[in-house]
Amino acid sequence: DQQVKQNSPSLSVQEGRISILNCDYTNSMFDYFLWYKKYPAEGPTFLISISSIKDKNEDGRFTVFLNKSAKHLSLHIVPSQPGDSAVYFCAARGSGSARQLTFGSGTQLTVLP
Amino acid sequence: DAGITQSPRHKVTETGTPVTLRCHQTENHRYMYWYRQDPGHGLRLIHYSYGVKDTDKGEVSDGYSVSRSKTEDFLLTLESATSSQTSVYFCAISVGTGTDRETQYFGPGTRLLVL
Repeated sequence: DQQVKQNSPSLSVQEGRISILNCDYTNSMFDYFLWYKKYPAEGPTFLISISSIKDKNEDGRFTVFLNKSAKHLSLHIVPSQPGDSAVYFCAARGSGSARQLTFGSGTQLTVLP
Repeated sequence: DAGITQSPRHKVTETGTPVTLRCHQTENHRYMYWYRQDPGHGLRLIHYSYGVKDTDKGEVSDGYSVSRSKTEDFLLTLESATSSQTSVYFCAISVGTGTDRETQYFGPGTRLLVL
């Protein structure tokens, strides 16, 4: 049973518009959430994170929102740029000492020029 | 760049042969992880280490073993490779302390094909 789900395998957005990527989780013990971006033939790169005690975190064009009651988080990219085209993974960390991450299956974002 | 290298970057092997993948870090981080990435599954944790000679299993550990004899190196061994282990393997380290600052950083990956 997947504890972290990204239900949209792909998303296309026009350059300059907003991209919204969604992620749902089932484990209420997750206390920290992260978004990673991955280009082909490269490792995932960290993008932005949010603690479970917050509901929003912003870093430049990237904002992550957390709705704990709905067990839902989203990543907003404004404005979207062609270089943002990549696979985006959300990840959640449990409260155990090993700091293990559980990943969603990813969303392929394509930003059209 | 978190100073993580993986070797080899590409490997083709035959079913039944042992394979060892190496992850090397330069910054003395305590926690290291091995993941595999497959279409439709995201990244799944195979094994992790929380110090020299301290390792534990992850979600998909069957058919894999690990060793960490030095802080900087974390080895992943496929004891007898099978076609289902064809995948891209990523090593990661955990950086930072505290809930709001801890992040995992990933190496460039090893693409493994088992024929």
